[in-house]
Amino acid sequence: NAGVTQTPKFQVLKTGQSMTLQCAQDMNHNSMYWYRQDPGMGLRLIYYSASEGTTDKGEVPNGYNVSRLNKREFSLRLESAAPSQTSVYFCASRPGGLGDYEQYFGPGTRLTVT
Amino acid sequence: AQRVTQPEKLLSVFKGAPVELKCNYSYSGSPELFWYVQYSRQRLQLLLRHISRESIKGFTADLNKGETSFHLKKPFAQEEDSAMYYCALSGGGYQKVTFGTGTKLQVIP
Repeated sequence: NAGVTQTPKFQVLKTGQSMTLQCAQDMNHNSMYWYRQDPGMGLRLIYYSASEGTTDKGEVPNGYNVSRLNKREFSLRLESAAPSQTSVYFCASRPGGLGDYEQYFGPGTRLTVT
Repeated sequence: AQRVTQPEKLLSVFKGAPVELKCNYSYSGSPELFWYVQYSRQRLQLLLRHISRESIKGFTADLNKGETSFHLKKPFAQEEDSAMYYCALSGGGYQKVTFGTGTKLQVIP
C-alpha cells in the first residue's frame, strides 16, 4: 500500500495563478484532511471531509476550495494564489467513525508564491 | 470550539535529562488526544494516543481532565528524540482534528 500520496512535491506560483494540489489514499479511509504548516503556527486545518460527499471548513479556509472526488481522492484548489499561501501543505486520512483513530499523513507539498 | 495549546516553541535538554512537553486543551466533551512526531524531512506520524495508555520509544502521556492537560514525558532524553512534536485533539464522534502549534525538542549531546 502506498498510504497517502500527494502531488506535486514542490511548486512555485506567481501571484494570481491557480493550481490544484492532489491527494489520494488507498486505505479505504472515510475521512480526509488538508493542513498547512507554517513556522511558529504549527499545523492549521484548512478543510476536511468527514466522509465521501461532505466537506467542512477548518480554521483557515479563506482562499481555498476543496473537492472530495471519491472516497480515495481529496483535492485542494487555490483559485488566485497569494504570497501568504506560501507554505507546506499536508494531506491526511483517517478511518472515521467513533474511536481514537490515528491520522495518516502524506509527504507534503512545498508551495512558494512569488 | 476545540483548541490545543503548546506553550513552548523550543525545548532544549541535555542527553539523559528528563523531558516534558506541555499540552493543554479546550473542549467541552470527551476528547480524544494524540501526540504526533515529525522527524527532520519526514512526514508526521503518530507517537501515542491517550486511550491506549501505551508507551512508545519511552514516551508516556497522561490525560488530566481536571487540568485539561496531556503532557508528554520521557525520563531520559536521547539524541534521536530531537524532532517536532505536535499535540492533537479530536472531538468525540466528530472528525475534525485540531493540532497545537508544536514544540521543537532539541536534545544536546
